Amino acid sequence: EDQVTQSPEALRLQEGESSSLNCSYTVSGLRGLFWYRQDPGKGPEFLFTLYSAGEEKEKERLKATLTKKESFLHITAPKPEDSATYLCARGGGSNYKLTFGKGTLLTVNP
Amino acid sequence: DSGVTQTPKHLITATGQRVTLRCSPRSGDLSVYWYQQSLDQGLQFLIHYYNGEERAKGNILERFSAQQFPDLHSELNLSSLELGDSALYFCASSVRMEGEQFFGPGTRLTVL
Repeated sequence: EDQVTQSPEALRLQEGESSSLNCSYTVSGLRGLFWYRQDPGKGPEFLFTLYSAGEEKEKERLKATLTKKESFLHITAPKPEDSATYLCARGGGSNYKLTFGKGTLLTVNP
Repeated sequence: DSGVTQTPKHLITATGQRVTLRCSPRSGDLSVYWYQQSLDQGLQFLIHYYNGEERAKGNILERFSAQQFPDLHSELNLSSLELGDSALYFCASSVRMEGEQFFGPGTRLTVL
């Protein structure tokens, strides 16, 4: 069964304090590792897709990286507006679905 | 704004009732996916349609059904509603059958 595990469940940072979120996933049959941002009561917003170990993608203060069994979302010098739940999802299997982790709730205090 | 639209935004109904949720995908996207999000379960895949045909089912109850119409919009029908069906229902779309999916704003269903 496809599995995605995110850690930590919640993370509280001070503005400017960099950190990383972790996503581990079932390796077999992986067809893409996806990161999304979700604000309360809203739909997930697509951030990045990673396909190969060693691949990195950046957007503003966010950088996503992929190894053979984990992905990391690095947040550099975060601002309060970066506060949200960050979801990791695994693509693969015969039905093209995304399997989501339960997310990391990030709070950035000013 | 992802370009995916969902209506209604909120729906409040009673147990035993039937409701229909509607989704319009991004222009040009052929795939539509439905997900359910509850506090304890996270985002759960329900069903996938590609160009009008059902492609995959996930954890979708027999009381739930969906279809994708020739204009590519999709509807999710929920019947014999129970309290436990209260959740956020999201539609997502993509150009292909796999790859990144773009989510709509969701429909919040409350069953009383």
